[in-house]
Amino acid sequence: ETGVTQSPTHLIKTRGQQVTLRCSSQSGHNTVSWYQQALGQGPQFIFQYYREEENGRGNFPPRFSGLQFPNYSSELNVNALELDDSALYLCASSLGGRWEQYFGPGTRLTVT
Amino acid sequence: TQLLEQSPQFLSIQEGENLTVYCNSSSVFSSLQWYRQEPGEGPVLLVTVVTGGEVKKLKRLTFQFGDARKDSSLHITAAQPGDTGLYLCAVRTGTASKLTFGTGTRLQVTL
Repeated sequence: ETGVTQSPTHLIKTRGQQVTLRCSSQSGHNTVSWYQQALGQGPQFIFQYYREEENGRGNFPPRFSGLQFPNYSSELNVNALELDDSALYLCASSLGGRWEQYFGPGTRLTVT
Repeated sequence: TQLLEQSPQFLSIQEGENLTVYCNSSSVFSSLQWYRQEPGEGPVLLVTVVTGGEVKKLKRLTFQFGDARKDSSLHITAAQPGDTGLYLCAVRTGTASKLTFGTGTRLQVTL
């Protein structure tokens, strides 16, 4: 059974640029959630995708957008990057409405 | 205002010591989870508590859910360097599997 994988591991971008982060869910999981974790804080929910549809969104602006593909992998896109977007971005997969989520190792994004 | 407040924020202890970390809220929850996150990794689920007053044990870790289901504690007996990490409590809010995390307790156990 393959766990949740994320790419890239680290990324450095300049303010104003756009970035795409990728996540492969655990085998058999059809739900993917994305979280932002600033340094020294707990993760904050960005949004969730279930069967390719957005299924809930946290308090993040529209420049944070996502996609889920038929194989349940997912992308997180962030436009017009700001310095405060520097964080660890975590992807978690789960099966349907089950509460148990399995997290990937994250992508560390640095915006300069 | 944070939904879940954890204390202490940071704890540095020596191997063999005992410790307790807390997760508090003014809201009532149907259940609560504890995670541990090591540097460079995502959070890993340790336990889910669902009943007020419930106590669960995982080797040297003891988790308790408050009687009123507003708070929880994690007690570690005879801490080891492998226990080092960020401990996070989390509750389900909104959609089925959206998690709201606490502020976290960073634990460092030294030899």
